Amino acid sequence: DAGITQSPRYKITETGRQVTLMCHQTWSHSYMFWYRQDLGHGLRLIYYSAAADITDKGEVPDGYVVSRSKTENFPLTLESATRSQTSVYFCASSVPRDGEAMNTEAFFGQGTRLTVV
Amino acid sequence: GQQLNQSPQSMFIQEGEDVSMNCTSSSIFNTWLWYKQDPGEGPVLLIALYKAGELTSNGRLTAQFGITRKDSFLNISASIPSDVGIYFCAGRYGNKLVFGAGTILRVKS
Repeated sequence: DAGITQSPRYKITETGRQVTLMCHQTWSHSYMFWYRQDLGHGLRLIYYSAAADITDKGEVPDGYVVSRSKTENFPLTLESATRSQTSVYFCASSVPRDGEAMNTEAFFGQGTRLTVV
Repeated sequence: GQQLNQSPQSMFIQEGEDVSMNCTSSSIFNTWLWYKQDPGEGPVLLIALYKAGELTSNGRLTAQFGITRKDSFLNISASIPSDVGIYFCAGRYGNKLVFGAGTILRVKS
């Protein structure tokens, strides 16, 4: 039971470079999410996806791009990395609870620590 | 947008003591979740609450969904060293979760 995996676990990149963080889940969960975690802010939603080819913005989407061509993958791309995007990024997935249309509990990956220098 | 106020920000308690933390909001949520995060790991779900007034236990953990749907609390009884970590509340609105800033728990053995 692999669950949800993120890669890489750690990444250092330079300002202005494009970076892609990968997220893969083996549960066939319909919903997937990207969060960033910063001191004092908790977890903030960047983008989410309700199904393959359906994505939507979260609270802090600027500077990020996502795609979801397959249910199991949800990559997050920083098109031109900035120092303010130094953070720990978490991918999560969830599935609607029985009898409900909306997703409920979210299960998280181990995170990617990104440093932009 | 929706915001959660989680308190306290941090706690330093004696092993064996009970712990209480809570989250409040000006917005109504349909689901409240409590997560724990260990260093270097992602958050792990502890308890999920789906109905106003619901009281749910998971071992030494007890959580309640406030009657007004604007708050929730988490209690940990008889704390042990492995309880250290960051505890997050999360409220669901629509298809999204909004998280509190977290409560850092440190336990003195």
